[in-house]
Amino acid sequence: KQEVTQIPAALSVPEGENLVLNCSFTDSAIYNLQWFRQDPGKGLTSLLLIQSSQREQTSGRLNASLDKSSGRSTLYIAASQPGDSATYLCAATLTADSNYQLIWGAGTKLIIKP
Amino acid sequence: NAGVTQTPKFRVLKTGQSMTLLCAQDMNHEYMYWYRQDPGMGLRLIHYSVGEGTTAKGEVPDGYNVSRLKKQNFLLGLESAAPSQTSVYFCASSYTRTGSEQYFGPGTRLTVT
Repeated sequence: KQEVTQIPAALSVPEGENLVLNCSFTDSAIYNLQWFRQDPGKGLTSLLLIQSSQREQTSGRLNASLDKSSGRSTLYIAASQPGDSATYLCAATLTADSNYQLIWGAGTKLIIKP
Repeated sequence: NAGVTQTPKFRVLKTGQSMTLLCAQDMNHEYMYWYRQDPGMGLRLIHYSVGEGTTAKGEVPDGYNVSRLKKQNFLLGLESAAPSQTSVYFCASSYTRTGSEQYFGPGTRLTVT
């Protein structure tokens, strides 16, 4: 059974630092992997989507990588800002055999201290 | 362009009561989803729809029913609420089943006492 794990559950860093959030999955047979951001009391916003054939995707200060062989994805945030404080979730799309269901990690709560 | 909207935002039910959560999207997406989010856990898929008039079960469908009578609306029903259904419910939609982003509503916080 596919499982998606995000460690640590919470992270606090000073403003301006570069940081990496981790996401691991147990089954390398994924279709794609997505990173989302969730602000308190709000819905989720898609940040980056990496197809299984890709190694990384970039959007502004965010860079997401995917290594299927090791079952890992990372979200790199450059020059962190207080506005980056949120919970970050990753989700792996299973392959056609499982009807493309998304399997979610529990998230990493990120706090950027001014 | 409102994106994905959910009604209501908050609700408190007594055990055994019923209610319907409404999700609406104005992006002409074919695919719509209902998730629940519980503390310390990832989102879990309840039901989903691949187009108007279709529904399918997700990971945790028991105790819920859904309908997709119109392409833009996806309804989630609880026929007899139980305390285990206390959760935050999110609706999402996407253009395709794979390879495209899912767009989420703001969520409905449901408490069953």
